[in-house]
Amino acid sequence: EDKVVQSPLSLVVHEGDTVTLNCSYEVTNFRSLLWYKQEKKAPTFLFMLTSSGIEKKSGRLSSILDKKELFSILNITATQTGDSAVYLCAVDGNEKLTFGTGTRLTIIP
Amino acid sequence: DVKVTQSSRYLVKRTGEKVFLECVQDMDHENMFWYRQDPGLGLRLIYFSYDVKMKEKGDIPEGYSVSREKKERFSLILESASTNQTSMYLCASTTGDNYGYTFGSGTRLTVV
Repeated sequence: EDKVVQSPLSLVVHEGDTVTLNCSYEVTNFRSLLWYKQEKKAPTFLFMLTSSGIEKKSGRLSSILDKKELFSILNITATQTGDSAVYLCAVDGNEKLTFGTGTRLTIIP
Repeated sequence: DVKVTQSSRYLVKRTGEKVFLECVQDMDHENMFWYRQDPGLGLRLIYFSYDVKMKEKGDIPEGYSVSREKKERFSLILESASTNQTSMYLCASTTGDNYGYTFGSGTRLTVV
């Protein structure tokens, strides 16, 4: 059975801090790993990673994949209150997405 | 922009009722998915479909069925709603290569 584990489950930091969110997986027929941000509604897409060691970057967010050790990290630098959300990791394998439980990030002003 | 529309944002139904959750996408995507999201459990796949009239069971199909009579529409059916089916239901669609999933806004279903 495919499995995706995220840690920590929740995180509370002060504005301006840097955070690292973790995602490990066990999936057969791996195709890609995706990160989503979910506020009040549906998840919104952040990154898709398919190759090891290549960092994807979008503003203050960045992510990297290690296909040998089967994990990914999502970094957010200089956090802002608008970064408060649940961050979901999902792995595309066996022609479907398997999600982790998410990390709830709270940024204190 | 791809749009995935779920017919209801909030729904309250009684135990034993038959419930239909509708999802429509407007970008000719082949693949459509139904997930439920519960606190501490994340998103779990209920059913998915690769084409019209095709369906595959996900991780938690019990108590649910689906219908895909047209490419753009994927319906989730609760044959006899139970209180443990109270949840947020999310529909998603993607192209045949499974890149770029797009989610609907979700339906929060409460079964009383």
